[in-house]
Order: sequence, then C-alpha cells, then structure tokens
Amino acid sequence: DIQLTQSPSSLSASVGDRVTITCRASQNIRNYLNWYQQKPGKAPKLLIFAASSLQGGVPSRFSGSGSGTDFTLTISSLQPEDFATYYCQQSYSTLLYTFGQGTKLDIK
Amino acid sequence: QLQLQESGPGLVKPSETLSLTCTVSGGSISSSRSYWGWIRQPPGKGLEWIGSVFYSGTTYYNPSLRSRVTISVDTSKNQFSLNVSSVIAADTAVYFCARRTYRSLSDYYYYYMDVWGNGTTVTVSS
Repeated sequence: DIQLTQSPSSLSASVGDRVTITCRASQNIRNYLNWYQQKPGKAPKLLIFAASSLQGGVPSRFSGSGSGTDFTLTISSLQPEDFATYYCQQSYSTLLYTFGQGTKLDIK
Repeated sequence: QLQLQESGPGLVKPSETLSLTCTVSGGSISSSRSYWGWIRQPPGKGLEWIGSVFYSGTTYYNPSLRSRVTISVDTSKNQFSLNVSSVIAADTAVYFCARRTYRSLSDYYYYYMDVWGNGTTVTVSS
C-alpha cells in the first residue's frame, strides 16, 4: 500500500498568512496527487488534482507543487473561509486509493 | 449540475449488514468517464476509501475491507449501493459517496473525486 504522511498534523495561522502543508508518499507516485479541503460536518472538496492543477472554481490563492514523493499545498494569503482540514490523496494506485491523515488549520 | 445523495439506516446492530444507497441526479450513472465510489470517515478521524464501481458492474475494493464489502450499481434507477457485512463498532462512521472522474493532461490520465454526497452517519450499536 502507498502511505501518505502529512505535516504538520495541525497548524495555527492568521488571516493573510502564507501557509504550506506537506505530503510525503512512501513510494514514487509521479504527480498522481490530489488535495481536498474539508470543513466540519461537510464533505471533502477537491482543490488540486495532478499535484498542481487547480480545480475549476477554486481560488487562485491555492496552489500545489511536487512530484515523486514530496508534495506541497500552499495558500498564499489565508482567508477566514480557509480554516479547515486538508487531505492529500494519491491516485497512482487505482486499485487502492489512500489519503493522508489530514492537517487541521485553525485560527491563531 | 451533478448531485449525489446517500440514504440508508443510521443505526445497525453488530454482526448485521450495513446497506446504503447513493442516488445520482443531474447526470447519468452510465457515463464512461466515471467510477462511483464510497469513502468513510470514523468520528474524529481521517478518510478511508472503501471501493468503486463502474456502470458495467466492474468493481474495485480496499483490500482491508474486501471480504465484507459489496458495491453494486442499478443503472435503471441511477443508483449505486454499498453493503458491509458482519459490522462491528469500528464500522461506525460517516459514509460518503463520490464520483471519480479523470482529466487527460499530456497524454496521461489523472483521476480524482470531484462530486461528493453530503454524507450519512452510520452507528453500529446494539
């Protein structure tokens, strides 16, 4: 199984801050990496696919980068609605999709 | 606009079978671009992919759950379903259905889950 490890597990930041979340894969997954945002009581929302492609309707302050085993999600200027939990997910293995354990982003 | 909605019992007794249905509206479940999947989230924990089904009936399951899980599709009703047998307390979770689709970039296919249901809470308890 491909394991995904996110860091940090939790993060406190302020509106306007630049924030980076990291996802590390246990093996090379090329750029088959997606990012989701989940707010309490809601379903996950797709932000980024193929490591760096922004899903339609997602604000441009969100960006993704990386390839191989190391990936990052960056929010360039945090907005109040961005406080949520973020998950990475690999789609390299279509027989078993796996998610990272999540990074909870809250207000400092 | 494509929408998914989960339905089913909120309470299931241990050792019994959990059965959920996801109804697809605003689009056809018979799309060749889509697989239809189930993902669950135990209280306070992360996301776990359960499995997916194609409109033809082809399925993929998480190996850790394969022995207890069945996912099926009913194209006439535009629905797909999840059965988890012999449930235990650890199966208590919010269950989401989702569409997996893909985008072709530079001749490679990238898969992602772009439309999700709201989720339904299932508690396993006697």
